[in-house]
Amino acid sequence: GQSLEQPSEVTAVEGAIVQINCTYQTSGFYGLSWYQQHDGGAPTFLSYNGLDGLEETGRFSSFLSRSDSYGYLLLQELQMKDSASYFCAVRDRGTGFQKLVFGTGTRLLVSP
Amino acid sequence: SAVISQKPSRDICQRGTSLTIQCQVDSQVTMMFWYRQQPGQSLTLIATANQGSEATYESGFVIDKFPISRPNLTFSTLTVSNMSPEDSSIYLCSGGTDSYEQYFGPGTRLTVT
Repeated sequence: GQSLEQPSEVTAVEGAIVQINCTYQTSGFYGLSWYQQHDGGAPTFLSYNGLDGLEETGRFSSFLSRSDSYGYLLLQELQMKDSASYFCAVRDRGTGFQKLVFGTGTRLLVSP
Repeated sequence: SAVISQKPSRDICQRGTSLTIQCQVDSQVTMMFWYRQQPGQSLTLIATANQGSEATYESGFVIDKFPISRPNLTFSTLTVSNMSPEDSSIYLCSGGTDSYEQYFGPGTRLTVT
């Protein structure tokens, strides 16, 4: 089976940098995705790490260490609009990597 | 990318009745999925909608309770059958050409009384 653990809540102020961690246990691993979801909204895809290292997309970066079964999402220059829930997700090997298993989610609160 | 619409956006239903949720994608996608999400919780996969064949259900979800159709590459329906208050949740469909990057519909907020 799969399990992905994230901190339940993170708080930060505008302009700061915040890191949201994700540790996972899987029977097989094929990459780590990150999604953002605002209250009442749909999850939206942010980034994907198929290999170890850092992927950068504007203010957001995502990191993966497969040997540590660990990844994180880094948000820089925080803005109020970044207040949302963030989910890591892995592809499930059991079905040929054809589906995603989502983490527990981290609620990010950005204050002025 | 793909734009996904769902309807209805919300509904209040009586126990014992059924509701069918429709999901439409604006472009052809290889995969379509149905999820359930309680407010403030993570997403739980109900099933993978397979074009022209029976859906693949996750543990804890059965076809009699959640029948799914996918007649073509851009449309799918999920029916929540014989509803009980425990079925009150947000139901999301998603699609994509690769499972790691999925596009989600806005969700259907279901309340069962």
